[in-house]
Amino acid sequence: QITLKESGPTLVKPTQTLTLTCTFSGFSLSTSGVGVGWIRQPPGKALEWLAVINWNDDKRYRPSLKSRLTITKDASKNQVVLTMTNMDPVDTATYYCAHRVVSGWSYYFDYWGQGTLVTVSS
Amino acid sequence: SSELTQDPAVSVALGQTVRITCQGDSLRTYYANWYQQKPGQAPVLVIYGKNNRPSGIPDRFSGSSSGDTASLTITGAQAEDEADYYCNSRDSSANHVVFGGGTKLTVL
Repeated sequence: QITLKESGPTLVKPTQTLTLTCTFSGFSLSTSGVGVGWIRQPPGKALEWLAVINWNDDKRYRPSLKSRLTITKDASKNQVVLTMTNMDPVDTATYYCAHRVVSGWSYYFDYWGQGTLVTVSS
Repeated sequence: SSELTQDPAVSVALGQTVRITCQGDSLRTYYANWYQQKPGQAPVLVIYGKNNRPSGIPDRFSGSSSGDTASLTITGAQAEDEADYYCNSRDSSANHVVFGGGTKLTVL
């Protein structure tokens, strides 16, 4: 049974750096083909993909946020960490981590964490 | 990265069939996947790949694709299907992930 859970601060101040941790179970990030992604959702708005890290440490970022994002993994701890620098009120959102599958021409997120709401305010 | 375009809102009468569409260049190469999201909940994968349903997803949900447009069809919509639906795929460069803007489905 695959589960993921996000943790981190619920409130950050503008210009601060956000660090979120995704702790997962039921799979190994050392297994070929496995990935973990981060997706966020501002209140009342659409899902927005942020980043993904693969079993081989390959990392991909949303182009518009690439300079602000860093994704890392600790496979031994079953954790993936996302950092986002220079936070702004527009970054207020629920942040989700999710298990990513690649299969042929399919690329999808089949298990999601519950999400964590991060508010950016002074 | 490329974009995926969805109609903002769609409605369907209870028990009728509804199609939700997703359009984008990346869909000429990659399959669309579909997620259902109810208020206050995390998204749930309902269709992936060519037309696959995860365990536990009712068979009234199905997916199809033609050219640059993918569709999620709900045959015999139920009240509990009222939700936001998002499509996603890899983008055309295969380096990134894209989500559509979401479609709010109302079951009348």
